[in-house]
Amino acid sequence: DSGVTQTPKHLITATGQRVTLRCSPRSGDLSVYWYQQSLDQGLQFLIQYYNGEERAKGNILERFSAQQFPDLHSELNLSSLELGDSALYFCASSVGTANSGNTIYFGEGSWLTVV
Amino acid sequence: AQTVTQSQPEMSVQEAETVTLSCTYDTSENNYYLFWYKQPPSRQMILVIRQEAYKQQNATENRFSVNFQKAAKSFSLKISDSQLGDTAMYFCAFMKHKNGGSQGNLIFGKGTKLSVKP
Repeated sequence: DSGVTQTPKHLITATGQRVTLRCSPRSGDLSVYWYQQSLDQGLQFLIQYYNGEERAKGNILERFSAQQFPDLHSELNLSSLELGDSALYFCASSVGTANSGNTIYFGEGSWLTVV
Repeated sequence: AQTVTQSQPEMSVQEAETVTLSCTYDTSENNYYLFWYKQPPSRQMILVIRQEAYKQQNATENRFSVNFQKAAKSFSLKISDSQLGDTAMYFCAFMKHKNGGSQGNLIFGKGTKLSVKP
C-alpha cells in the first residue's frame, strides 16, 4: 500500500458526460501528480500541483482540469468525455519540497471506461 | 525535452535465472534521477529502484540492481533469481533535478513486459 488513495476505482460513463476523480496523497506529501495510462499513449503526465498551486502541465486536454485543495487532496475533472478518454488514471504524490528527486508514489488508479 | 527509450517490448526468463532490462534516455541535464517501476497485472505502479545521477555507485535493492552508465545515458535493470511474482510490466523513468520549489514529474518509457516462466 503506497498510502495514495484514489476513488473511484472503476467508473463507466457515457460519451459527453463529466466525471471527477479524487485523490488523497500520502500523509505529509505536498506534490500531487496526475498521469493517464492508455494502450496507445502509454503513461502520460497530465498535471502537477504543489501545495495547492499548479506547478507543471503535461499533455492535458482543455476538457480536463484539476485542482488541489487546502487539505492537499486533489481532483481531476474530465468533461465532454470521448471514447478515447477511456484509460487508467493514476494519482501520485511525493514530499516534493526543495530536495527534489523525492520518490513519487502511485495510487492504484481509477479505471475510466467511456461507452 | 527528455526522452526515455525501452527497446525490448517483451522479454521472458526462466524462474531462478537472471534477466536484464534495457533503458536509454536522452537529456542535456547533468543532475537528474532515474527510476524503475513495476506494474504487475493488478496495474498498480510499484517503485523497484532509484538512482541519483550524481552517484557513481549503482543502486541495489535485494535481487534488483542497476547498471548506470551516465556517459552512455544507459540505465539497465538486472533481476537476479527471478521469481514468478516478478512477472510484470517494467517502466524506466526519468526525473529532472530542480533546485528549490517543487520537484519535477516523471517521464516514462513505453515499458518492457517481463514474463517469468516456471
